[in-house]
Amino acid sequence: AQSVSQHNHHVILSEAASLELGCNYSYGGTVNLFWYVQYPGQHLQLLLKYFSGDPLVKGIKGFEAEFIKSKFSFNLRKPSVQWSDTAEYFCAVSGRAGTTDSWGKLQFGAGTQVVVTP
Amino acid sequence: DGGITQSPKYLFRKEGQNVTLSCEQNLNHDAMYWYRQDPGQGLRLIYYSQIVNDFQKGDIAEGYSVSREKKESFPLTVTSAQKNPTAFYLCASSPHGTQSGEQFFGPGTRLTVL
Repeated sequence: AQSVSQHNHHVILSEAASLELGCNYSYGGTVNLFWYVQYPGQHLQLLLKYFSGDPLVKGIKGFEAEFIKSKFSFNLRKPSVQWSDTAEYFCAVSGRAGTTDSWGKLQFGAGTQVVVTP
Repeated sequence: DGGITQSPKYLFRKEGQNVTLSCEQNLNHDAMYWYRQDPGQGLRLIYYSQIVNDFQKGDIAEGYSVSREKKESFPLTVTSAQKNPTAFYLCASSPHGTQSGEQFFGPGTRLTVL
């Protein structure tokens, strides 16, 4: 069965610090990978996604993520966080179309609550 | 203004009552989904529908029911059989035929059972 593991449940850091959130998945087929973010009081929204090609993907608000196939990982990074990055971050995995019946179904990790202090 | 709307934002119900959560989208998406979000557990899939008049159970369908009579609408009923219904419920949609799996989310409904 497909599963997604996020390494940290809570992260607290100061403004200007670097952020890295770990995500590992367990899945036998070809996957698409996502990071979603949920700011306080707002919709869950897409931060970035990986389908194929360059394993280093850039998203909105200065975030980037690196897909390492050999490690089944898709870690999220930001070199310098701001107070406005306080949010909950979710890693998600979807099976690739034509490879499995899990196509279009997202499997989410448990989420990481990030708090950035001024 | 395209998007997904969910109503109501907050919902209270007494134990033993059924309640229906609304989800409407004007994005012309074929697929729609219902998730339940609990602290520390991420989002778990309740039901999904890839086309009108068709839907499938997700990972935690027990105690829930859905219908998909129109492309724009995918209401979720939380029945009295759901043992722990207090949660935050999220509706999502995605365009059919895409390989991406990318989904677009509504604002959610927070259900509290008293």
